[in-house]
Amino acid sequence: AQTVTQSQPEMSVQEAETVTLSCTYDTSENNYYLFWYKQPPSRQMILVIRQEAYKQQNATENRFSVNFQKAAKSFSLKISDSQLGDTAMYFCAFMIKEYGNKLVFGAGTILRVKS
Amino acid sequence: KAGVTQTPRYLIKTRGQQVTLSCSPISGHRSVSWYQQTPGQGLQFLFEYFSETQRNKGNFPGRFSGRQFSNSRSEMNVSTLELGDSALYLCASSLGAQGYTFGSGTRLTVV
Repeated sequence: AQTVTQSQPEMSVQEAETVTLSCTYDTSENNYYLFWYKQPPSRQMILVIRQEAYKQQNATENRFSVNFQKAAKSFSLKISDSQLGDTAMYFCAFMIKEYGNKLVFGAGTILRVKS
Repeated sequence: KAGVTQTPRYLIKTRGQQVTLSCSPISGHRSVSWYQQTPGQGLQFLFEYFSETQRNKGNFPGRFSGRQFSNSRSEMNVSTLELGDSALYLCASSLGAQGYTFGSGTRLTVV
């Protein structure tokens, strides 16, 4: 079975500080993609960062970076210099290439950035 | 570039009725997928359409169906609505494994 586990239901961080959101996943496939999506109160899902499993280099998008540990099946998201606008629900997800464009999501982590 | 457009944004229906939700993908995107989001079950994949063909289907009863038109617009239909169908329904379009672009969703309430 393909599953994604986000072990932190809620987290909070002070503005300008760094926070790391955890994600582990389970699949026996070798060729897949990993994603972090953000869902603010406006409810629109926004792609934060994407990682291809065959690439060892960790993806980075401005203040967002990942720590991808393929052997451990871990894909954590680090947010640096947190901003109030980062307050949202964050979902970790993966997609197996051979199964088409089907995303499997974790339960999500609510992140609150405090001023 | 216009994003993914879902209509309507909110919908209230009565048990037993049927409902149709609409999704217009980003221009050029041929893959459209639908997800159901509920507090209890989280985000669950319903189905994916590519070039008017259903390519992938999630674990939902046959009351949930969809289709895609030649212009890539997609509709999702739920028949014989149940209270448990109350959810946020998200549509997403994609060019491939670059990741999905989601719409703002349709909030369906079944009373």
